[in-house]
Amino acid sequence: GENVEQHPSTLSVQEGDSAVIKCTYSDSASNYFPWYKQELGKRPQLIIDIRSNVGEKKDQRIAVTLNKTAKHFSLHITETQPEDSAVYFCAAPRLYNQGGKLIFGQGTELSVKP
Amino acid sequence: GAVVSQHPSWVICKSGTSVKIECRSLDFQATTMFWYRQFPKQSLMLMATSNEGSKATYEQGVEKDKFLINHASLTLSTLTVTSAHPEDSSFYICSARESRGQPQHFGDGTRLSIL
Repeated sequence: GENVEQHPSTLSVQEGDSAVIKCTYSDSASNYFPWYKQELGKRPQLIIDIRSNVGEKKDQRIAVTLNKTAKHFSLHITETQPEDSAVYFCAAPRLYNQGGKLIFGQGTELSVKP
Repeated sequence: GAVVSQHPSWVICKSGTSVKIECRSLDFQATTMFWYRQFPKQSLMLMATSNEGSKATYEQGVEKDKFLINHASLTLSTLTVTSAHPEDSSFYICSARESRGQPQHFGDGTRLSIL
């Protein structure tokens, strides 16, 4: 089945710097890769996703890149702000006979220092 | 759009009580809903998948008789923790998607504390 590894587990950056979080997946058939942001005690919120037919997707300060050959995808946040501080989760679908259930990475706790 | 409502947000009850948690998709029809459990500072652990009108599919190690799931309509799924014990205390979150290949949207979660 699908296995998703996420790194780093914690990341501290200065306000204005960039942050990069990386995930690897094991199932080469996976075709959809979402990123979620979860603030303390709140729901995970979908911030960006990418499908396997593109290599990069941007939405303002957030971008996701996908390398299908290497089976990894990354979240890039530019010009970080204190409100970006949260836990970020990547996910990939478990596809074969499993209805595309999402398997989540371990999470990255991002801290943006003012 | 894509709002998922989960209720209640917080439950404190005595050991042995059964607790029902509701998950509703407010502005879309959810053919599939998912139930997760999350421990502090940990990832989301999928417990079960429910499809409208059919039996839920449970992940390995999750007791079907302990965590009863019902998905009676395209907008409502319920999770009942039966005879809850302190070790069942956790943050339970549901998510819903309109159809396969569509994004999952999460509810606000239910913090369950069993005394």
